[in-house]
Amino acid sequence: NAGVTQTPKFQVLKTGQSMTLQCAQDMNHNSMYWYRQDPGMGLRLIYYSASEGTTDKGEVPNGYNVSRLNKREFSLRLESAAPSQTSVYFCASSEGSPDTQYFGPGTRLTVL
Amino acid sequence: GQSLEQPSEVTAVEGAIVQINCTYQTSGFYGLSWYQQHDGGAPTFLSYNALDGLEETGRFSSFLSRSDSYGYLLLQELQMKDSASYFCAVGNSNYQLIWGAGTKLIIKP
Repeated sequence: NAGVTQTPKFQVLKTGQSMTLQCAQDMNHNSMYWYRQDPGMGLRLIYYSASEGTTDKGEVPNGYNVSRLNKREFSLRLESAAPSQTSVYFCASSEGSPDTQYFGPGTRLTVL
Repeated sequence: GQSLEQPSEVTAVEGAIVQINCTYQTSGFYGLSWYQQHDGGAPTFLSYNALDGLEETGRFSSFLSRSDSYGYLLLQELQMKDSASYFCAVGNSNYQLIWGAGTKLIIKP
């Protein structure tokens, strides 16, 4: 089992460009999450999906959109990237409750 | 509001015991989780406390006091590989985990 996979691992964008971060899990988990982590800080929840077909905003949703494509896949889209979105993005999944989450390796995004 | 407080940095000696504290303020508390993150890596789950008391997993133990809104992570027989950041996080009624800013554990030989 691969667990949680994310693509790409690294990305550099120019201000105003768009991109989609991909996430997939093979643990048959119901819930999936997108976080961002800025240097020296904890994780902040962008969006989450408690189950297939549902998505909800987290703490910092502005500038992002998500799609729960199916039970395995949860993508994060930046429509018009800004330098403030330079960060490391983590996808995670959990069986049911959010307390025990499994993380992907992260995407390191730089917006110039 | 919801917030967690934990020390930004703790230093200990290899082979010793260290305790990382976490105090929280949240609505709809469901439990306290601990995660480890090495530099450049992803967070990995360590432990979870839903009820008061001590949970032990090998060299790591975690404690919760719901009445005091307080918990800690105890690491015994410290090894150099334990050098990492440790995050406490609380689950709330909105199906979310709220994270502390993390404690960087520095281990000296």
